[in-house]
Amino acid sequence: DTAVSQTPKYLVTQMGNDKSIKCEQNLGHDTMYWYKQDSKKFLKIMFSYNNKELIINETVPNRFSPKSPDKAHLNLHINSLELGDSAVYFCASSQLGQGSTEAFFGQGTRLTVV
Amino acid sequence: GENVEQHPSTLSVQEGDSAVIKCTYSDSASNYFPWYKQELGKRPQLIIDIRSNVGEKKDQRIAVTLNKTAKHFSLHITETQPEDSAVYFCAASLILTGGGNKLTFGTGTQLKVEL
Repeated sequence: DTAVSQTPKYLVTQMGNDKSIKCEQNLGHDTMYWYKQDSKKFLKIMFSYNNKELIINETVPNRFSPKSPDKAHLNLHINSLELGDSAVYFCASSQLGQGSTEAFFGQGTRLTVV
Repeated sequence: GENVEQHPSTLSVQEGDSAVIKCTYSDSASNYFPWYKQELGKRPQLIIDIRSNVGEKKDQRIAVTLNKTAKHFSLHITETQPEDSAVYFCAASLILTGGGNKLTFGTGTQLKVEL
């Protein structure tokens, strides 16, 4: 029973295509995120949703569009893929509270644009 | 916005030695400082975290210290073992009033524990 699961794990596609990555969490968390990890391992936040509402929208090309149909799901759609979009994309979730605000990460989606 | 610097970028130690990784942050409003371990090809996983109202926290061989005045925090791993080899990320977070927290990560430290 994986806490944060994303699909697909690997995605190879050609430049110019449109692709989606799906994420689901069964932790009951209110907040979900997308992070991008580039070839140098640098992790950078892209988006965050809290209860289906967008709360963080970093400087990301508008070819990237997140969608949260409910608080357990956060999908990422990418239009007109470019070579520079190649990276590992991690979904994560967390819950604000008095205890830990740990962010739990999915296993990642390795996107390769050729 | 927040900026987190992390040093060193690579660290090689002998098994049984200690390892120290240091981070500095820029936003004095940040109030939550987690450390994540990422093994090759795996997801980042939390190993320890500290809030801004605490100066030090320890969990078995791992400890974290926080100096709010100087805006720096450090990870200490004692009695290192080969399975400690991984990339370690520090992060600084501002817990948002709207929920969740915006993690700004350091650039990572590749720790190698040699036999």
